[in-house]
Amino acid sequence: QQQVKQSPQSLIVQKGGISIINCAYENTAFDYFPWYQQFPGKGPALLIAIRPDVSEKKEGRFTISFNKSAKQFSLHIMDSQPGDSATYFCAVGPYNFNKFYFGSGTKLNVKP
Amino acid sequence: ETGVTQSPTHLIKTRGQQVTLRCSSQSGHNTVSWYQQALGQGPQFIFQYYREEENGRGNFPPRFSGLQFPNYSSELNVNALELDDSALYLCASSLGGREQFFGPGTRLTVL
Repeated sequence: QQQVKQSPQSLIVQKGGISIINCAYENTAFDYFPWYQQFPGKGPALLIAIRPDVSEKKEGRFTISFNKSAKQFSLHIMDSQPGDSATYFCAVGPYNFNKFYFGSGTKLNVKP
Repeated sequence: ETGVTQSPTHLIKTRGQQVTLRCSSQSGHNTVSWYQQALGQGPQFIFQYYREEENGRGNFPPRFSGLQFPNYSSELNVNALELDDSALYLCASSLGGREQFFGPGTRLTVL
């Protein structure tokens, strides 16, 4: 059973635009929802994470919106830049154990 | 402070062979997790080691095994390699907290 579904598979955004990536999960026991950024040839790097006690978390240009009742969360990248071009993964899991289920990834291409 | 390092970078093996991949944790980290990332997919959790003991396992067969050493470095061993084992193998270290720091991975190709 797929624990988390991520969409879209790929995304093209103009420089300065807003990039939005969505994830939906199944298991309501999960209470930690990180987003990772991965550049070619590199391992994933933690971008931002949220717990279900808040509906939104913002760090710089990156915002997570969380809808507990719908079991969905999304990543918004404001003022997208060409340097943001990478593959983004959402993940879900228990807060007290680093066993994460990753989404299938979204390849973001920000056009200059 | 050095980050997570993995060796080798690339590896080519044939079906039925055995392989050992190595990971050096970030300084001070006592927990190592291993993930398999197939091409175009997200990482899949293989297992985790905490203070030299296996501390959770994903849906991988017993031919995937691991070790963690007193200095918290780790090995992933895969026996009886199959074509589907071709993937990027990532290790991630943490200090018991949520933030995992990933290494660059080892690209394994099984022919």
